[in-house]
Order: sequence, then C-alpha cells, then structure tokens
Amino acid sequence: SAVISQKPSRDICQRGTSLTIQCQVDSQVTMMFWYRQQPGQSLTLIATANQGSEATYESGFVIDKFPISRPNLTFSTLTVSNMSPEDSSIYLCSVEGTDIAKNIQYFGAGTRLSVL
Amino acid sequence: GDSVTQMEGPVTLSEEAFLTINCTYTATGYPSLFWYVQYPGEGLQLLLKATKADDKGSNKGFEATYRKETTSFHLEKGSVQVSDSAVYFCALQGSSYKLIFGSGTRLLVRP
Repeated sequence: SAVISQKPSRDICQRGTSLTIQCQVDSQVTMMFWYRQQPGQSLTLIATANQGSEATYESGFVIDKFPISRPNLTFSTLTVSNMSPEDSSIYLCSVEGTDIAKNIQYFGAGTRLSVL
Repeated sequence: GDSVTQMEGPVTLSEEAFLTINCTYTATGYPSLFWYVQYPGEGLQLLLKATKADDKGSNKGFEATYRKETTSFHLEKGSVQVSDSAVYFCALQGSSYKLIFGSGTRLLVRP
C-alpha cells in the first residue's frame, strides 16, 4: 500500500481567503484523487489529477474554486479559493495502488478545514 | 447511475455482540466492492474488498460476501470490540476508476 501524507492536518481560516492543501505519496502513482467529506456526510469526489494533464472535475466542482496542481508523480495540491463557511469540510487525497493493488484507492488522513 | 445504499446509523452494540451492516448497490456491469473504515479523527482505511460474485473479503475478523443475485455486500463480524467503534463506508468501483461511497454507518461499541 502507499503511504500518503497530507498537510496541513487541520486549519481554521477566515472567509474570503484561500488554503492550499498538499498531498505527498511515497511512491510514483499515475492517478491521484481529491475528495470532500462535509460534516456527517459521505465522501464526494472533487477531481482526478493525472500528472502532465489538466485535472478532471466532477459535476458541481469547478477549477476556479478548486484549482489543482500535479507537478510530478508523487505530489499534488488542492487549493480551496475564496472560502466561505460552506467549505468547512474534511478534504482527502487518495491514490490508486499499483501492481497487485491496482484498482484499490488509498487515502491520506485528511485536512480538517473550518471557515469562520 | 451507480449508487450505494447503507443502513443508517448509529449502530450501538455491546462488546462481543454480532455485527451486521447492510450494504446494497446499483451498478451496470460487474463492479468491485469495498468496505472502508474511518476511525475518529483519521482518514479512510481499506478494510476489505471483493472483485467478483461470490468472493468473500475478510480482514481483522470482518467479512463480506459479494452477492450478485441480491446486489449486496453486507459487513459482518462475529464479536465486536470497543476498538471497532468507527464509521464504516461501503463503496463500489464500476467500469471507471471512480469510487462511489455509501453514506456511512457509525458503529459504537460499549464495554
């Protein structure tokens, strides 16, 4: 399995500001994913980030609000822009495993964001 | 589209009780099925998986069998512990790479 580190683990932000979340993997992976988990809710896929191409966003999520970078095969960032209290959620990074673990997604510990 | 339905929680049990968390799915084709667990304050961990009909996934005393005829993947454990208290998510992966999650079921195990 992959080891995934997310930073920051939590943050409290003021409305109107932006926060960039980092996701670092201990091995090279093709596909990385960003999810949102609103309080008491399930996970919703925000976008898929492949190295060397633009991220693919799911319905209801747009690049201006959630810009994503994927500069190499072990790193990605998600920015939550112009935040409002409705953006208070846990944001999770995941990666697809390789070899025998292909088609299995492994998750980071998440970033707990509170917007005041 | 594809979807996953889980029983609503919270589920409250005494230690050593038998656990069942129901999960049914709707999907075209033959999806892979997963159970993930989220312990308090942590991210999701893969608990078990099954990739085809009649497969049984198992881990840490938990089991789930892929039942195509009933489109179900119920999670079971014969004797729960306090340390099993967590939120459990059923998920499917269809023809694309996307994971579709159920709403999650919170389990509380009392000593």
